[in-house]
Amino acid sequence: EPEVTQTPSHQVTQMGQEVILRCVPISNHLYFYWYRQILGQKVEFLVSFYNNEISEKSEIFDDQFSVERPDGSNFTLKIRSTKLEDSAMYFCASSDLDRNSPLHFGNGTRLTVT
Amino acid sequence: AQSVTQLGSHVSVSEGALVLLRCNYSSSVPPYLFWYVQYPNQGLQLLLKYTSAATLVKGINGFEAEFKKSETSFHLTKPSAHMSDAAEYFCAVTLNTGGFKTIFGAGTRLFVKA
Repeated sequence: EPEVTQTPSHQVTQMGQEVILRCVPISNHLYFYWYRQILGQKVEFLVSFYNNEISEKSEIFDDQFSVERPDGSNFTLKIRSTKLEDSAMYFCASSDLDRNSPLHFGNGTRLTVT
Repeated sequence: AQSVTQLGSHVSVSEGALVLLRCNYSSSVPPYLFWYVQYPNQGLQLLLKYTSAATLVKGINGFEAEFKKSETSFHLTKPSAHMSDAAEYFCAVTLNTGGFKTIFGAGTRLFVKA
């Protein structure tokens, strides 16, 4: 069964550094998402992306964040200047073009900002 | 605004006992409702989704959920808990906004005692 893959599985970075989290969504899916889960807390929506532009974004997704689909397969989340509070699991997901279609999640990237 | 609320951050049952995880939604229009499960160090996996075709929805691993419009609920049940059911369970709703945005409840951690 096709799956969403994320790299790296763990990323450690220093405060103020830029990080890029990478995802390969399921190939025939058209909607892509990033979610964040701070340890022990709820899964928070960051952004959805369709047709090479942001479809929806949350208040968390401020100017420090950006997303890109640089080629036909990858979907990236960039954090320009990381803060301690950015430490979390970041999940990528993809779905079909139907509100009743479920999200397919990757296994996440654990980001630790020191 | 559409949202989901999960009652009980932790639920503990004995192996073989009934599992009941509660989810209430708020929506003025027919909602797109889902239940996801998260095992340790993994992404979220779809358990089941509500479709307007049936109010009782069967999912994977013996789970099912009943949509009750009068109670605005979509509770998840399983007749007999197994040790492997221990995980975090999330109720989710896809919003009827211009774009695609799925938001998650706070999650319920299920413990299964031998």
